[in-house]
Amino acid sequence: SYVLTQPPSVSVAPGQTARITCMGSNIGSESVHWYQRKSGQAPIVVVYGDSDQPSGIPDRFSGSKSGNTATLTISRVEAGDAADYFCQVWESTSDRPWVFGGGTKLTVL
Amino acid sequence: QVHLQESGPGLVKPSETLSLTCDVSGGSISGFYWSWIRQPPGKELEWVGYVYYTGSTNYSPSLRSRLAMSLDTAKKQVSLKLRSVTAADSAIYYCARLGGVLDPFDSWGQGTLVTVSS
Repeated sequence: SYVLTQPPSVSVAPGQTARITCMGSNIGSESVHWYQRKSGQAPIVVVYGDSDQPSGIPDRFSGSKSGNTATLTISRVEAGDAADYFCQVWESTSDRPWVFGGGTKLTVL
Repeated sequence: QVHLQESGPGLVKPSETLSLTCDVSGGSISGFYWSWIRQPPGKELEWVGYVYYTGSTNYSPSLRSRLAMSLDTAKKQVSLKLRSVTAADSAIYYCARLGGVLDPFDSWGQGTLVTVSS
């Protein structure tokens, strides 16, 4: 089955920039979505379609893609950005087409 | 703003049936794929399956033989039944809404923890 690989953790100081990567062998041709999940809360979409932002999401959150890697960038990180972040794609050739990355825990120092 | 709320027993015995319900409020059932996604402890999120608003279903192949999903449009509820559970089915189970296969899951419930243990 298709695999998306994320680093388990990323740490950043307030005001700095956090970059969370998501690697997949076919990700260049897939639409990547990113979710934020805070402890005990429902996940929310922070970036969809590689780089689009849902309404209500600060423009500090942005997405990009290059080669086999998608990246979620969080600029001017705030304490409230501490959460787990997941990438997700729809992989048409997989028997489980909705695929998630393992998740990255963002720690704000 | 649509709100999803999962409910069900937190503890299920091995070989029994896990039954979960997702209540949908603040939005319509129509036009969407209503999905279940789970996350076992220490593992990644796993798509379990969906029931479309028409009633058609699509399940993960690894669970297909044990799984049934349905929806009650009048009650605005989505249901999951997983038979013959084992410890490997222990997970946080999320209900989520999907507009189209390439769309993100745009609304999620908070999730409900299910433990399979005697």
